Amino acid sequence: EAAVTQSPRNKVAVTGGKVTLSCNQTNNHNNMYWYRQDTGHGLRLIHYSYGAGSTEKGDIPDGYKASRPSQENFSLILELATPSQTSVYFCASGDPGLGGDTQYFGPGTRLLVL
Amino acid sequence: GQGVEQPAKLMSVEGTFARVNCTYSTSGFNGLSWYQQREGQAPVFLSYVVLDGLKDSGHFSTFLSRSNGYSYLLLTELQIKDSASYLCAVRDTGTNAYKVIFGKGTHLHVLP
Repeated sequence: EAAVTQSPRNKVAVTGGKVTLSCNQTNNHNNMYWYRQDTGHGLRLIHYSYGAGSTEKGDIPDGYKASRPSQENFSLILELATPSQTSVYFCASGDPGLGGDTQYFGPGTRLLVL
Repeated sequence: GQGVEQPAKLMSVEGTFARVNCTYSTSGFNGLSWYQQREGQAPVFLSYVVLDGLKDSGHFSTFLSRSNGYSYLLLTELQIKDSASYLCAVRDTGTNAYKVIFGKGTHLHVLP
């Protein structure tokens, strides 16, 4: 069974603070993604990676950095958190090249920036 | 413009059916996926289609018309537990083959 885990599950941060969201997958998928989901916007892609050492900007990368130190781990970093970054963040893994297009999502992290 | 559109809400009755529509406009096309997302949970993959026509998967079926940029997810014999949001996602082959564009989702409410 595909498995994507995220930590922490809930986080309260202060404006200007640094926040790191972690994601781990045991699917051996090359691709990993970070999304945020807000009411009225749906899922929006922040950063993604197609392998260890690579990170690419998605649709809304401003204010976020990403790190992919290994096949299994993909982190999202908010260097200077702002209240507008309060949201639910989902990590996903997938491999689109084999005739299918399944993305496996982690359980999400609820971030509140005060 | 480029994007994936879905109606925000849909209501139907237990034991009947519901059709969730999705229209898309992308520079390229390399498949469309449907996900179910229950309140407070992560999206879960349901189906993937890349060829035109109807794909019957039992409780869930999907239809695709590439020439019209249109798909639907058909849920039959609805149960109360089918109440959830259903997300349509299109893989664009344009500038970035890794990018998937999600619709905002359709919230289906199944009435007893």
